[in-house]
Amino acid sequence: AQSVTQLGSHVSVSEGALVLLRCNYSSSVPPYLFWYVQYPNQGLQLLLKYTSAATLVKGINGFEAEFKKSETSFHLTKPSAHMSDAAEYFCAALTGGFKTIFGAGTRLFVKA
Amino acid sequence: DTEVTQTPKHLVMGMTNKKSLKCEQHMGHRAMYWYKQKAKKPPELMFVYSYEKLSINESVPSRFSPECPNSSLLNLHLHALQPEDSALYLCASSLQGGGGKVEQFFGPGTRLTVL
Repeated sequence: AQSVTQLGSHVSVSEGALVLLRCNYSSSVPPYLFWYVQYPNQGLQLLLKYTSAATLVKGINGFEAEFKKSETSFHLTKPSAHMSDAAEYFCAALTGGFKTIFGAGTRLFVKA
Repeated sequence: DTEVTQTPKHLVMGMTNKKSLKCEQHMGHRAMYWYKQKAKKPPELMFVYSYEKLSINESVPSRFSPECPNSSLLNLHLHALQPEDSALYLCASSLQGGGGKVEQFFGPGTRLTVL
C-alpha cells in the first residue's frame, strides 16, 4: 500500500536559517507529490507539486522541493526561514483516482 | 474565483441536533471532497463526489450524510453526532480532466463541537 513518511514531527529553526522538511513515499509508480501548509484553524494551502515535468519544483513563499526517484524522497527546503513560516506542513501523494495519502505532518517552529 | 468557501466557520451542536455544513466552489472543479481532521493529525478522507456522483465513501457512519446538489455545491448533513465527532471538517475540490492539474484546493474548514 502506498504511504508517505515525514521524518520529524517537530522541526525548530532560527529565523534566517535553512528550512529542511523531509518526506519519503513508498510507491512502485512515481506518484504526484505535494506539500501543503496549514496555519492554526485554517485549511490546507498548496505550496508546490510534482507532476513529473521537472524534478526541482519551486513553490510559493520561497519554498522548493526536489523529487529524487532513487531515494523515493521529496524534501521541502527554504533557504532562509521567516517567523511567518511557523505552521504545520503536510507532504502528500496521489497515484491515481481521488485518494490523496497524507503524511503525519511536521510542525515547524521558527525562533527569533 | 480561486477559492473554496465553507459555512459556518464554527458550529456547536448537541447530540440530538440536525445541522448541515456547506461548501461552495466556482472554479469549475468536478471533484469535491469532505475530510475530517482531528487536532495534530492529517486530514482523513470521508467522501468524494465526482461529477456530482458519490465515488468514495470511506466507511463513514451514517450519521454523516453527504449531498452534492450541483457541480458547485457540497453539503454534509449531520444527525445524532457523538462528542468524538468534534473536529475540523474540511472541504476540497479538484479539477478532473488530466494535464497534471490534480491538486486539491481546500476551504478554511468548519470547526465542529458536539456537546
